Amino acid sequence: GAGVSQSPSNKVTEKGKDVELRCDPISGHTALYWYRQSLGQGLEFLIYFQGNSAPDKSGLPSDRFSAERTGGSVSTLTIQRTQQEDSAVYLCASSPLGTGELFFGEGSRLTVL
Amino acid sequence: AQSVAQPEDQVNVAEGNPLTVKCTYSVSGNPYLFWYVQYPNRGLQFLLKYITGDNLVKGSYGFEAEFNKSQTSFHLKKPSALVSDSALYFCAVRDGGTYKYIFGTGTRLKVLA
Repeated sequence: GAGVSQSPSNKVTEKGKDVELRCDPISGHTALYWYRQSLGQGLEFLIYFQGNSAPDKSGLPSDRFSAERTGGSVSTLTIQRTQQEDSAVYLCASSPLGTGELFFGEGSRLTVL
Repeated sequence: AQSVAQPEDQVNVAEGNPLTVKCTYSVSGNPYLFWYVQYPNRGLQFLLKYITGDNLVKGSYGFEAEFNKSQTSFHLKKPSALVSDSALYFCAVRDGGTYKYIFGTGTRLKVLA
């Protein structure tokens, strides 16, 4: 089925390198979300995109984090100059407008050495 | 500001017994409330939601939840637990005036055979 697809599923990088995580939402879903799940923690909101509106970036933890969504579809979360505390699972979710339900991908596990 | 509290890190219950996973919330407007389940190494799956209407909502896999406005709670329940229900459960809230979903820290449910 055409669920939310995230890549890579696993990424190991060295401290100081930049990484890009990709999310391909369900076709037709207008809303797209990024969350971070650290070991033993809940889901930390990072950013969401809703249609053509300006994204809500209020959850991005520092200016090393950025995200874009091209053509209202695919989104890329970029982390510059990675730090060890960035190690986590990054989850993407999409939602059709109005239903309230989020559809999650299986996540990208980032390990910063 | 929106917030969600899941006061129990872990809940243990014997198979066949009823289970309850607690959630309380805080929002400034009308709450949209959700429960999600996460199985090991998987993304989150939607269980049920409360938007408006009956305070008792029924969802997937025999789960239900009761919305209590006066206590600002939305506890997840199931009359008879299965070993296969063992997983991590997240409560989430969305203020009706925004598209931002805030998740709790999660409760690990362990059903013992």
